[in-house]
Amino acid sequence: GAGVSQSPRYKVAKRGQDVALRCDPISGHVSLFWYQQALGQGPEFLTYFQNEAQLDKSGLPSDRFFAERPEGSVSTLKIQRTQQEDSAVYLCASSLGRRKPTQHFGDGTRLSIL
Amino acid sequence: AQSVTQLGSHVSVSEGALVLLRCNYSSSVPPYLFWYVQYPNQGLQLLLKYTTGATLVKGINGFEAEFKKSETSFHLTKPSAHMSDAAEYFCAVTQGGKLIFGQGTELSVKP
Repeated sequence: GAGVSQSPRYKVAKRGQDVALRCDPISGHVSLFWYQQALGQGPEFLTYFQNEAQLDKSGLPSDRFFAERPEGSVSTLKIQRTQQEDSAVYLCASSLGRRKPTQHFGDGTRLSIL
Repeated sequence: AQSVTQLGSHVSVSEGALVLLRCNYSSSVPPYLFWYVQYPNQGLQLLLKYTTGATLVKGINGFEAEFKKSETSFHLTKPSAHMSDAAEYFCAVTQGGKLIFGQGTELSVKP
């Protein structure tokens, strides 16, 4: 597609429910990143894929967070047993690779946990 | 680890005035540096970037930034603010491929 596409744009869930957030990167982009942006803050890194390989997951806040990119294209960020502190905007970005570091962002998914 | 500091969480200027948004980074090696803009309920849009070469980089919408290694700074400027420039601005530096962001500066433009 022309840009990074994220769905849903808005998600409301009750505490304890599981959620899944989808990211469709720019076609041909090898690298894919997930960031979490709390209200009034800058984005914070969660995890990074190169093709289907998850090369860095050091930013995932707990083992309730899980990300995958099985075919090296679309990625899903899953949060299990959601808690109120998980409320944030989740941003996905993609890039051509390490030698082309410019990341292109989607519009994000705003997650609200009640 | 890398860090980015944006001085001033909120900057207010009059329409037509100079815009200056400050960014300092910590790095022991030459970094890649970026400025992104975020409008309400939208993702981040790239304004400009420094990778190598010329230290004065020009971006979209009349913005430019200068990489000063001796000052570890990458301040964003625009000679004349427009109402449409009102938004949140983020400075970022690369670390192992991922981006490390500053806390952001909200720019307000008064008529």
